Amino acid sequence: AQSVTQLGSHVSVSEGALVLLRCNYSSSVPPYLFWYVQYPNQGLQLLLKYTTGATLVKGINGFEAEFKKSETSFHLTKPSAHMSDAAEYFCAVGPFGGGGNKLTFGTGTQLKVEL
Amino acid sequence: DAGVTQSPTHLIKTRGQQVTLRCSPKSGHDTVSWYQQALGQGPQFIFQYYEEEERQRGNFPDRFSGHQFPNYSSELNVNALLLGDSALYLCASTRQVDSYEQYFGPGTRLTVT
Repeated sequence: AQSVTQLGSHVSVSEGALVLLRCNYSSSVPPYLFWYVQYPNQGLQLLLKYTTGATLVKGINGFEAEFKKSETSFHLTKPSAHMSDAAEYFCAVGPFGGGGNKLTFGTGTQLKVEL
Repeated sequence: DAGVTQSPTHLIKTRGQQVTLRCSPKSGHDTVSWYQQALGQGPQFIFQYYEEEERQRGNFPDRFSGHQFPNYSSELNVNALLLGDSALYLCASTRQVDSYEQYFGPGTRLTVT
């Protein structure tokens, strides 16, 4: 079984400040890990993914995340927040190996960016 | 290149009715998954279709059923609607060979009154 815990349902940062959204996962098999962003009244857009290889992954819009197996974490960061980053962010886990990945999502973190 | 499309965008139904939602996958994709996203929650996996068969199913009752057509498009059917079925229904498509790369549609907002 797999599960995801996102710490902090709401995070508020100032424009230009560091963004840190936390995600911890539980998986009985090696995981694939994902971050998705959802803007109001829209579907989910993939920000970045970890499958195998390099543990620091870079995504779109300046976001990156680091897979830390020892901490079972996959936190999302961005050095400098922009107003357009305000959205809801979901961490998700899928089983290693593809084969029709069923994704298990966290409950989401709403990011607010203030002037 | 069109992405994942879903119809309708919004739907209002009454308790006890039946509803059908539709999804067309991204070009080149052969696998379709459906997710339910209740207000304030993350998406929950309903089921996945590949080669016109249900391949995986989440923890949803038999009132939720689906279909995949030869052109890879898919339908989600929900019978005997309950108030608790009100949610955003998301369709995601992928290629079976590298199915960790899932693309989501904009969703259908279902309201049950």
